[in-house]
Amino acid sequence: DGGITQSPKYLFRKEGQNVTLSCEQNLNHDAMYWYRQDPGQGLRLIYYSQIVNDFQKGDIAEGYSVSREKKESFPLTVTSAQKNPTAFYLCASSRWTGRTEAFFGQGTRLTVV
Amino acid sequence: GDSVTQMEGPVTLSEEACLTINCTYTATGYPSLFWYVQYPGEGLQLLLKATKADDKGSNKGFEATYRKETTSFHLEKGSVQVSDSAVYFCALSVTTQGGSEKLVFGKGTKLTVNP
Repeated sequence: DGGITQSPKYLFRKEGQNVTLSCEQNLNHDAMYWYRQDPGQGLRLIYYSQIVNDFQKGDIAEGYSVSREKKESFPLTVTSAQKNPTAFYLCASSRWTGRTEAFFGQGTRLTVV
Repeated sequence: GDSVTQMEGPVTLSEEACLTINCTYTATGYPSLFWYVQYPGEGLQLLLKATKADDKGSNKGFEATYRKETTSFHLEKGSVQVSDSAVYFCALSVTTQGGSEKLVFGKGTKLTVNP
């Protein structure tokens, strides 16, 4: 079945450490996105990518980095520069053309300990 | 800029009650509009969508009509079930200056349906 896979589902990180969240899709979608979800704040866009080797900052990119070396993969690194990284992170993908819906992964809950 | 404002929750209803969750938007151009649903501990799933004015999206008994004159996309269901308990997000799709598409979400409305 086609879909988006995020791993791991739960992740714990010590302060000062970088951590990378995985996102893989087999839907042949060109566009991929990372969102952060906090209680009462909805979803906020971190980074997005429309094609391989190209990506743009979203509304809250500071303290995060991404890469898009393959169409299927869009990993997100939460760096030590991110002041408040504890959150639920959602990856999504969509087709390049048209105003089509996004498909979401199951999310990764990151907790800084 | 582009934004979505939806009804603050939480909303608590009894089974078989009517549901309305209000959503209004601000956007340049003619966005597509969406309702997504999120069950506990999971990602978002598309519930319904509308791509132009006066379109009605519908799915699983839920409906929403794209109203350009009032810039609204209210979600409605005539008779809710316990299984409808979830968080509902209104969203719009906008085209960036670079020509890419991105979604802008409302803050979400938590619905609890009691038996």
